[in-house]
Amino acid sequence: SQQGEEDPQALSIQEGENATMNCSYKTSINNLQWYRQNSGRGLVHLILIRSNEREKHSGRLRVTLDTSKKSSSLLITASRAADTASYFCATVGSSNTGKLIFGQGTTLQVKP
Amino acid sequence: KAGVTQTPRYLIKTRGQQVTLSCSPISGHRSVSWYQQTPGQGLQFLFEYFSETQRNKGNFPGRFSGRQFSNSRSEMNVSTLELGDSALYLCATAPGPSTDTQYFGPGTRLTVL
Repeated sequence: SQQGEEDPQALSIQEGENATMNCSYKTSINNLQWYRQNSGRGLVHLILIRSNEREKHSGRLRVTLDTSKKSSSLLITASRAADTASYFCATVGSSNTGKLIFGQGTTLQVKP
Repeated sequence: KAGVTQTPRYLIKTRGQQVTLSCSPISGHRSVSWYQQTPGQGLQFLFEYFSETQRNKGNFPGRFSGRQFSNSRSEMNVSTLELGDSALYLCATAPGPSTDTQYFGPGTRLTVL
């Protein structure tokens, strides 16, 4: 079963705009990760944030984590058409088994 | 380094048949996990192998099985296929059993008719 929910399920924006996706989870975590998937292909790891971190940056990506609310957000700044993809959050539980539990994903469309 | 390789990329089977999917990890990666992706259920964990041992198993029936070889390559098998087994099967590899980041292959698209 899924760990939690992602919001929104779908997002459509213009190139240059920012895109924000939210993820909620249910149990204690070791870390939370964001992955991107293009057109039903394999997933690409974007960024990882540990349970003791609150914010992390990587290029145009900014991730926040609020463990008290069991939620995370992914911000993509200055979106490009090439950012069009599905984005998934995935959690690793406190026991750090290496098993990823995924959210349902957000489908992002960036219009040129 | 070459990425994760999955074969075959596409597969069409009929109900009742069985299928074997293969995953070759990135060189040096010894942990292999399998995930099933469907439109209805999303991405679900199937199992994880490290050093030829299954470390974790997801909530799937016994028709789903897997194994890992001494060279870290892994196979998963689905017997007595059902229509609902149609999915994208993704393999992910990592250097170790509890390594944070996993590297995914392109997947095998299985269609059961």
